[in-house]
Amino acid sequence: KNEVEQSPQNLTAQEGEFITINCSYSVGISALHWLQQHPGGGIVSLFMLSSGKKKHGRLIATINIQEKHSSLHITASHPRDSAVYICAVEGGTSYGKLTFGQGTILTVHP
Amino acid sequence: DAGVIQSPRHEVTEMGQEVTLRCKPISGHNSLFWYRQTMMRGLELLIYFNNNVPIDDSGMPEDRFSAKMPNASFSTLKIQPSEPRDSAVYFCASSLEGRVLSYTFGSGTRLTVV
Repeated sequence: KNEVEQSPQNLTAQEGEFITINCSYSVGISALHWLQQHPGGGIVSLFMLSSGKKKHGRLIATINIQEKHSSLHITASHPRDSAVYICAVEGGTSYGKLTFGQGTILTVHP
Repeated sequence: DAGVIQSPRHEVTEMGQEVTLRCKPISGHNSLFWYRQTMMRGLELLIYFNNNVPIDDSGMPEDRFSAKMPNASFSTLKIQPSEPRDSAVYFCASSLEGRVLSYTFGSGTRLTVV
C-alpha cells in the first residue's frame, strides 16, 4: 500500500462545477503539499499546510491531521484548471523530503 | 527572482554516454532536491542536500547516478553510463527551511536515452 493515496485518479468535470480531490496518508507528517502540473509543464506548489484550511482564489485546501486526510477543492472550475494535481507529504523528521501520491488527472470541459 | 533554473530543458543521448543535469536553486534557499518523474513510478526523490551537504541519497537508483552541490548556487546530477531506462523528467527543487510556501520546483529536464 502506498504511503500517500489520492482519489479519484481521473476526474472529468464541466466548466463551473465544484471539484474535490482527496488525499489520504498513512505516515506521520510535518506538512502536506498540493502541487499542480500542466501537461508537459513544470510543477507548481499550490499549498503547503499542516493544519486547518487555506484558500487562494478559487482553490481551497483542508487537512485533518487526526484522520490523516486532506482535500483540495476547486470552486467554479474552468478549462484552464485542467492539469494533474499531486498530493505530497513531508515527513516529520526529514524536512523538505516529499513522498508523492500518484496524482489526479483533472479535465474540465467548456 | 528567476526561480529554480534547470538546464538543459531537453537532452537526447545514446546509451552508454555520460549525462549531466544542472540546477541553480533560488538564492537564499538552503535545501535542494533532485526528483525523477516517470509514467510508471510517478515522482520519486533521488537525493537532497541541506546547506550543500547530501542528507539522504537513498533514492539514487544505483552507482551510475551521482550528485554534487559544490556551492549554494549550483548542483549537478550525473548519470554515467546512461541507459534507456533512465529516460524520465528530472526535476530540481529548492526550499528555505522553516519558511512556508518556499518550496519551488524547476521546469525539469526531459531526458531521453536511446
